[in-house]
Amino acid sequence: NAGVTQTPKFRVLKTGQSMTLLCAQDMNHEYMYWYRQDPGMGLRLIHYSVGEGTTAKGEVPDGYNVSRLKKQNFLLGLESAAPSQTSVYFCASRTGDNQPQHFGDGTRLSIL
Amino acid sequence: GESVGLHLPTLSVQEGDNSIINCAYSNSASDYFIWYKQESGKGPQFIIDIRSNMDKRQGQRVTVLLNKTVKHLSLQIAATQPGDSAVYFCAENKYTGRRALTFGSGTRLQVQP
Repeated sequence: NAGVTQTPKFRVLKTGQSMTLLCAQDMNHEYMYWYRQDPGMGLRLIHYSVGEGTTAKGEVPDGYNVSRLKKQNFLLGLESAAPSQTSVYFCASRTGDNQPQHFGDGTRLSIL
Repeated sequence: GESVGLHLPTLSVQEGDNSIINCAYSNSASDYFIWYKQESGKGPQFIIDIRSNMDKRQGQRVTVLLNKTVKHLSLQIAATQPGDSAVYFCAENKYTGRRALTFGSGTRLQVQP
């Protein structure tokens, strides 16, 4: 049982490039999340999904898009990367309200 | 605005002592709270949670206390070990219709041998 798997683990981009981060969970969870974590700070919610085919904005959605075409996958896209998007990105999932979120080990993204 | 926060950014304790990590919240409508541990280079790991209809919940070596009167949450770790050294986050199920967690900025726990 792998839990929450994030791909890739590291990536370096140039300003203006695009890329997609993949999150996969094998726990049949309904809810999935994307957070970013900057040095010395807590996690900030980018986007989330409460079921296949649904997405919603979090605290810091600008510059990101997401898709949840399959229940087990949640994709985070950067259309035109900016240095301000240099961060560690965490994906999480859970069964529903008032349940613990389970996190992946993160994707470390640097934008030059 | 209202937010989840922590009183101390760094806490240093001796191995074997008990640790107490505190967290303040300001939204009385929050009804679910959770503590996570994050080690360097890893994702947050669930420790323990508590619902607003409870004041205390115990796990293995950990206890979470919820004081709704003063809007305060604490995590107690008994007999702290070197492996407990990490950053600890509290979070609450507050915004977005309670469908996502809002995190505090974290407290670093350092365990001295």
